[in-house]
Amino acid sequence: KAGVTQTPRYLIKTRGQQVTLSCSPISGHRSVSWYQQTPGQGLQFLFEYFSETQRNKGNFPGRFSGRQFSNSRSEMNVSTLELGDSALYLCASSGGQGFTGELFFGEGSRLTVL
Amino acid sequence: QQPVQSPQAVILREGEDAVINCSSSKALYSVHWYRQKHGEAPVFLMILLKGGEQKGHDKISASFNEKKQQSSLYLTASQLSYSGTYFCGTATEGSGNTGKLIFGQGTTLQVKP
Repeated sequence: KAGVTQTPRYLIKTRGQQVTLSCSPISGHRSVSWYQQTPGQGLQFLFEYFSETQRNKGNFPGRFSGRQFSNSRSEMNVSTLELGDSALYLCASSGGQGFTGELFFGEGSRLTVL
Repeated sequence: QQPVQSPQAVILREGEDAVINCSSSKALYSVHWYRQKHGEAPVFLMILLKGGEQKGHDKISASFNEKKQQSSLYLTASQLSYSGTYFCGTATEGSGNTGKLIFGQGTTLQVKP
């Protein structure tokens, strides 16, 4: 069974630009959650999508948005990038048959904002 | 509010035991434990549900004290492969069984030969 795939793995942007990150969950999983990981703040929950609907939302500004497609693939977008947005963005899939609560994380997309 | 983990870091020799604690100020539905090695994705270790029993596999086990909203992860007879950063993730009643977890700041564990 293929794992969670995130693209791109690395990217560099400049302040003011926008970025779109993609996540393909494990086949059969309907939930995709996004997390931001930084050395200072640790792992912080951004939002979760389930069956194309946002089910949970964290405390991030409106510049951070996401969506989920009918095949469960998800994208997150960050507009008007700031230096503080530099982070590892992790997506996690869950909710397949026999859901146990386990989140399966991808290897992340490392964003650097210059 | 973020759960508090302690200690922040621990160094062990192979074969020694360690305990990592996770404390929340909120009433919890579940506590999850993950381990992340440098440059890798976090990997699920176990989940403890409200009203559930202590869990464990191999030499790693955990407990959940509902009265205190505290969980502890026990690593016995540590191996080099146990090195990494351990995170507890908590879910409240409203977000139980979803992908929303609030993670602690992490505990870095280093096992030396």
